[in-house]
Amino acid sequence: GDSVTQTEGLVTLTKGLPVMLNCTYQTTYSPFLFWYVQHLNEAPKLLLKSSTDNKRTEHQGFYATLHKSSSSFHLQKSSVQLSDSALYFCALSELGTQVVGQLTFGSGTRLQVYA
Amino acid sequence: GPKVLQIPSHQIIDMGQMVTLNCDPVSNHLYFYWYKQILGQQMEFLVNFYNGKVMEKSKLFKDQFSVERPDGSYFTLKIQPTALEDSAVYFCASSLGTGLNQAPLFGEGTRLSVL
Repeated sequence: GDSVTQTEGLVTLTKGLPVMLNCTYQTTYSPFLFWYVQHLNEAPKLLLKSSTDNKRTEHQGFYATLHKSSSSFHLQKSSVQLSDSALYFCALSELGTQVVGQLTFGSGTRLQVYA
Repeated sequence: GPKVLQIPSHQIIDMGQMVTLNCDPVSNHLYFYWYKQILGQQMEFLVNFYNGKVMEKSKLFKDQFSVERPDGSYFTLKIQPTALEDSAVYFCASSLGTGLNQAPLFGEGTRLSVL
C-alpha cells in the first residue's frame, strides 16, 4: 500500500540557518504530494503541493521539488525564523483514489527554531 | 479565511458510551473527511463523505463508527460503543472538489479521551 516516510522526528536549529525536512513516499499510482504545517493547538494548514515532476513549488519562503525518480518531496527553507517552529507533515494522495483529499500522512517532523 | 470548526475541542467519556463529534465544514465545500491521530503517531484516514454518502473508508473505520450530515448541518462522527483504543485526536476536513487545487482544509481537532 501507500506509505510516506519522514525520517526526522525532531529538527532543532538556530534562526537564520537553512533547513531541509525529508519526505519519501511509495505508491503504485501517479502521486500528489503535500506539506502541511501544524502550529501548537491549531489546525494543520496546507503549505505546499505538487504533482509535477522536477518542478519547484514555493510558498511563504518554503520550497520543495517532487522527484519521481527518487520518490522524494523534501521541504526546504533557506533561512528559518522563530515562527517556523511547528510540526510538519508530508502527505500523499494518488491518482488512483477517488478523491485527492484521501491522504496518507507521514509521522511528522517537529521543527524547533531557537534564537 | 474559511475555517473548519470542530466541537467540542476535548471530550472525555466512559468506555462503552456513545460519543458524537461535530464538524462545521466550510459552507460551500462538498467533500468531507475524518482522520484519526493517536498521540505520537501520524494522522490516518478514516472516511470521506460526499452527497450524503460514504465514498471510501479505511480499515480503521470500525462497525461502531458512523458518519452523517443531516440537511446540511454538522458533519458528525458517531462512535457507539466507544472503546479504550478510540482515544485519539479526530480531525475533520473539507474540500470544494477533488482535484489537486482542492487540498482539504482541516479543523483543529477534537481530543477524545475514553476512560
